[in-house]
Amino acid sequence: QQKVQQSPESLSVPEGGMASLNCTSSDRNFQYFWWYRQHSGEGPKALMSIFSDGDKKEGRFTAHLNKASLHVSLHIRDSQPSDSALYFCAASEPSSGSWQLIFGSGTQLTVMP
Amino acid sequence: EAAVTQSPRNKVAVTGGKVTLSCNQTNNHNNMYWYRQDTGHGLRLIHYSYGAGSTEKGDIPDGYKASRPSQENFSLILELATPSQTSVYFCASGDPVYEQYFGPGTRLTVL
Repeated sequence: QQKVQQSPESLSVPEGGMASLNCTSSDRNFQYFWWYRQHSGEGPKALMSIFSDGDKKEGRFTAHLNKASLHVSLHIRDSQPSDSALYFCAASEPSSGSWQLIFGSGTQLTVMP
Repeated sequence: EAAVTQSPRNKVAVTGGKVTLSCNQTNNHNNMYWYRQDTGHGLRLIHYSYGAGSTEKGDIPDGYKASRPSQENFSLILELATPSQTSVYFCASGDPVYEQYFGPGTRLTVL
């Protein structure tokens, strides 16, 4: 079983709508969480990080972390066609001494004009 | 902005042949990583490095070797390429707490 699981696998929303992406970890040692975004033909690029319980807002993007339930979510308000991309949730446990990021399998977001 | 470049961008190899994928970073990051990306599996870590001269095995190291001759360069080596190694390979630098910066990827096809 993957340590970081994402849902849904794919998501379509209308332009201007709200997109909600989910991520669940099976490892309680994960402390740091990231969302990465990958446009077609490019490498992934960090979107935002969240390390503490609660919400973190950056423009149209809001991440939410609940460490007790090992759940991370990303909400995109006023979705734009340029938001169409593959979104990855990633987690790490630096206290273990291992500088690895564990990625989920991704959510393909399509924003329809 | 941090920069990671990869070469070649596309590669076609024959089964049993040797393939070397190269990565260069100008970020002066100690940590570098090699991932492969396959549909349904996301990004899987093959090898990583903490600095020049060091290489560590990631989650799927079998069939791959890595080399870190300098702070800037990190190579992934397939000594005997197989069709199952057909994939898109990404190099990254940085660290899991602050950020990882990815290159544009190399599409490898093994026939």
